[in-house]
Amino acid sequence: EDQVTQSPEALRLQEGESSSLNCSYTVSGLRGLFWYRQDPGKGPEFLFTLYSAGEEKEKERLKATLTKKESFLHITAPKPEDSATYLCAGLSGGSYIPTFGRGTSLIVHP
Amino acid sequence: DVKVTQSSRYLVKRTGEKVFLECVQDMDHENMFWYRQDPGLGLRLIYFSYDVKMKEKGDIPEGYSVSREKKERFSLILESASTNQTSMYLCASRVLGRETQYFGPGTRLLVL
Repeated sequence: EDQVTQSPEALRLQEGESSSLNCSYTVSGLRGLFWYRQDPGKGPEFLFTLYSAGEEKEKERLKATLTKKESFLHITAPKPEDSATYLCAGLSGGSYIPTFGRGTSLIVHP
Repeated sequence: DVKVTQSSRYLVKRTGEKVFLECVQDMDHENMFWYRQDPGLGLRLIYFSYDVKMKEKGDIPEGYSVSREKKERFSLILESASTNQTSMYLCASRVLGRETQYFGPGTRLLVL
């Protein structure tokens, strides 16, 4: 059974304090690893899709990386507006349906 | 630009009412999905549709049905709303053969 585990569940940072969110996955024949940002009361907003180990993608202060067992979302010098829940999901080779993690709730204090 | 819209942001219904939630995408995507999201439980798949008039049950289809008569529109129906269906409902769509799903803004449903 495919599994995606995100850690930590919650993270509090000071503005400018860089950190990383972890997404560990057990997905057979990974076809894609996805990161979304979700603001309270809103739908998830697509950030990145990673396809193979070693791949990296960047957007503003966010950088996503992928290994054979986990993905990291690195946040460099975060700002309060980066506060959100970040969701990770993995899609296996034999499925139409991604497996989602429970998310990491990030709060960045000014 | 990707655009998935949902008919309502907030909805309040009474127990026993029939409830329709509508999702529309303008990207000509074949695949569409309905999820519910609850605190501590994450995203759970209710139904998905490969293409027009095609549907498959997800993990929690009980108490729900769906309709996909046109490619751009995927409706979720609560046949007889119950309080345990109070939740955030999220629609998503995806191009056939591509991996990335795009989500709508969500409908927060309260059943009294």
